[in-house]
Amino acid sequence: GQQVMQIPQYQHVQEGEDFTTYCNSSTTLSNIQWYKQRPGGHPVFLIQLVKSGEVKKQKRLTFQFGEAKKNSSLHITATQTTDVGTYFCALDGSSNTGKLIFGQGTTLQVKP
Amino acid sequence: DTAVSQTPKYLVTQMGNDKSIKCEQNLGHDTMYWYKQDSKKFLKIMFSYNNKELIINETVPNRFSPKSPDKAHLNLHINSLELGDSAVYFCASSQNRGTYGYTFGSGTRLTVV
Repeated sequence: GQQVMQIPQYQHVQEGEDFTTYCNSSTTLSNIQWYKQRPGGHPVFLIQLVKSGEVKKQKRLTFQFGEAKKNSSLHITATQTTDVGTYFCALDGSSNTGKLIFGQGTTLQVKP
Repeated sequence: DTAVSQTPKYLVTQMGNDKSIKCEQNLGHDTMYWYKQDSKKFLKIMFSYNNKELIINETVPNRFSPKSPDKAHLNLHINSLELGDSAVYFCASSQNRGTYGYTFGSGTRLTVV
């Protein structure tokens, strides 16, 4: 079945440093979604990317969808302690059922 | 106002017992889901209902049985609980089969002892 590889699994950064997580698929994606899960919390929808080469920004977060629609990245500029959590990408797993297949997640720790 | 609420938040039970988790959404979404998150944080879909109709039924032991009495509710009943069922179970809902993202409930942490 469809799968997505997300790297790195863990990332420790000093507050103020940048952070990037990557998702890669072997197949062309119709869209990709990103979620954030705080420690002890639930996944929260951040954004959906649909178009080839799309770039979207949310304050310090920049989301990109690759030209071939097979990869995506989330970049956080100047991390803050509030950015701590696990970031998941998720792809549409089957036609028209809404089934999301989640990446393994990247857990971000930020040292103050 | 909680958008997707699930109860209970914590559930500790013995092996062999039967338990239920309830989920309700007040967003007017037409699709609801159950996901299981293991200790490594991997999220895996279990079931999905669209307007009370089962549309996704992943390879899940038949000890797990979902029920959707109406499109705002999706419950999960688990028979003969096993140690390996320990996980966090998330309910989620979406409109238009996930096109605009899922809204997750706060999760039920199930511990089987």
